[in-house]
Amino acid sequence: DAGVTQSPTHLIKTRGQQVTLRCSPISGHKSVSWYQQVLGQGPQFIFQYYEKEERGRGNFPDRFSARQFPNYSSELNVNALLLGDSALYLCASSSQGGGNQPQHFGDGTRLSIL
Amino acid sequence: GENVEQHPSTLSVQEGDSAVIKCTYSDSASNYFPWYKQELGKGPQLIIDIRSNVGEKKDQRIAVTLNKTAKHFSLHITETQPEDSAVYFCAASKPGSARQLTFGSGTQLTVLP
Repeated sequence: DAGVTQSPTHLIKTRGQQVTLRCSPISGHKSVSWYQQVLGQGPQFIFQYYEKEERGRGNFPDRFSARQFPNYSSELNVNALLLGDSALYLCASSSQGGGNQPQHFGDGTRLSIL
Repeated sequence: GENVEQHPSTLSVQEGDSAVIKCTYSDSASNYFPWYKQELGKGPQLIIDIRSNVGEKKDQRIAVTLNKTAKHFSLHITETQPEDSAVYFCAASKPGSARQLTFGSGTQLTVLP
């Protein structure tokens, strides 16, 4: 079975631009979470979606938004890009939104802001 | 909010030796503690997890222990091999509608042949 897939793998943008990152969860998983990982640090929680509803939001500005589609795939949008948005963006899926279900990560999208 | 501290930040061991990585958490409501291994250019890979109703869990060469009173948990890798070299992250989460993972800052493990 395929794991969590993310696209694109790499992306280069300039300040002020907008970006959309995509994620397909493991088949059968209904929950998708997004994390930002700055070089040398642990991932930081951005959003969780379950059954197309936002279940949680981390401490990120309103420039960050996301949505989940009926097939449980998800998009993360970032507007008005800043240099500090350069990071690895990770998507994780789990079978449920709550509970102690393991979260499985994709290999991420490396976003570079020039 | 939850705060997870992890140490050491770097760890070098000889092949065949054991490695131990320690984490502490701040929120006593946290009840789920996964460990992830991240290789260069890859996403974090879940290697083992433990829930607060269990004190220890083992999977082949990997074990995790949890001390709820002291609010710390540890990863133990025995008989280390060069392919164990990677960055290891601990994480914690608590009950709620969102299973937000709070990660430690990572440990770079190097296994020397």
